[in-house]
Amino acid sequence: DAKTTQPTSMDCAEGRAANLPCNHSTISGNEYVYWYRQIHSQGPQYIIHGLKNNETNEMASLIITEDRKSSTLILPHATLRDTAVYYCIVSVNQGNAAGNKLTFGGGTRVLVKP
Amino acid sequence: DAGITQSPRHKVTETGTPVTLRCHQTENHRYMYWYRQDPGHGLRLIHYSYGVKDTDKGEVSDGYSVSRSKTEDFLLTLESATSSQTSVYFCAIRGTLLNSPLHFGNGTRLTVT
Repeated sequence: DAKTTQPTSMDCAEGRAANLPCNHSTISGNEYVYWYRQIHSQGPQYIIHGLKNNETNEMASLIITEDRKSSTLILPHATLRDTAVYYCIVSVNQGNAAGNKLTFGGGTRVLVKP
Repeated sequence: DAGITQSPRHKVTETGTPVTLRCHQTENHRYMYWYRQDPGHGLRLIHYSYGVKDTDKGEVSDGYSVSRSKTEDFLLTLESATSSQTSVYFCAIRGTLLNSPLHFGNGTRLTVT
């Protein structure tokens, strides 16, 4: 699976949009981009995923560049409860039951400040 | 949130004792997984299941066994707990569509003394 690079940490203001970047320059054509977050002492929470088109759901938007070498997760109106470690993962299901091998790297520690 | 319940949430046990962790889902998903999370290692797959009585090993399966007698329940057993198995254990479920995301439970923190 392709490796991802994320900033170690970032702060954002409550109520403002949080833009979390991720580089995945070695992504292959069939690999999806997944975003998860982990709030302290909880399990990883799925946020969104996409292949090449931009995606939006009730939690966030995912913007993938045309060359697919980077992406940005956008939390439109950050709240204090969005403080967490955010993981960007690229992976593909090889077609077996094991599913996607999700390699969680260091992620970005996001602190939402009042 | 996905309907996943892990029990117990916390457990302390002694070396050499058997331990069983339970994962219960209400989503009727076919695929279920057990991961462990340790500092410096991220999430590592222990075992997974692709149906009732259908299970297979992940990357760190030694010392662990699993069973799935019902769609909704996936049990992880440490036959004889060791201190190296002190960890946070997460259960996850996945839908059938290829590249469906995993949804995780809130984990079981296990300490082996």
